[in-house]
Amino acid sequence: GEDVEQSLFLSVREGDSSVINCTYTDSSSTYLYWYKQEPGAGLQLLTYIFSNMDMKQDQRLTVLLNKKDKHLSLRIADTQTGDSAIYFCAEIRGGGTASKLTFGTGTRLQVTL
Amino acid sequence: EPEVTQTPSHQVTQMGQEVILRCVPISNHLYFYWYRQILGQKVEFLVSFYNNEISEKSEIFDDQFSVERPDGSNFTLKIRSTKLEDSAMYFCASSGEGQGPQHFGDGTRLSIL
Repeated sequence: GEDVEQSLFLSVREGDSSVINCTYTDSSSTYLYWYKQEPGAGLQLLTYIFSNMDMKQDQRLTVLLNKKDKHLSLRIADTQTGDSAIYFCAEIRGGGTASKLTFGTGTRLQVTL
Repeated sequence: EPEVTQTPSHQVTQMGQEVILRCVPISNHLYFYWYRQILGQKVEFLVSFYNNEISEKSEIFDDQFSVERPDGSNFTLKIRSTKLEDSAMYFCASSGEGQGPQHFGDGTRLSIL
């Protein structure tokens, strides 16, 4: 289909790992992104992965990319209450000069004590 | 760290009135974007802009919408005759490459009465 899909909600306990999954649609996407949105705030670029990579690690964040299945995941190690937010995956669509981002529906991460 | 700034943070306007949303992209970026997010929904692409012209626009971006880069620093979105359904959070973004990471502002919440 045309939609970038994510599960809507994830609840984890503080200190556990969180894994947020995303299925994207455009196999020609050069980059795939993860954005974080806290309540009432803008979109914060968390991390991104180039399409010729399988994995990227950045401190507590690990991104895994399965191009065959068009599956992207974000793992947050040692999840903290400050990680509570909505997480959006996004793919670049179009090979034009200024390519647009197509966002998933967002996954609300709730971190409990 | 350089950031995208948007003003105002909240705009309340009567239906039928014109509104201009303002953005100052990151200074060395060349690619500029507007997105919107209706409350509770996902982020949608409106328009991309490069080299003083529109690169791509979505179906949402009809004749009521226009963008302009009036000087070397500002990037504006104008809605000529606002409708109730234009109520949303509007995000500006910029990037240094056409397919590269897009950095977002904190958004302008537009409320049409």
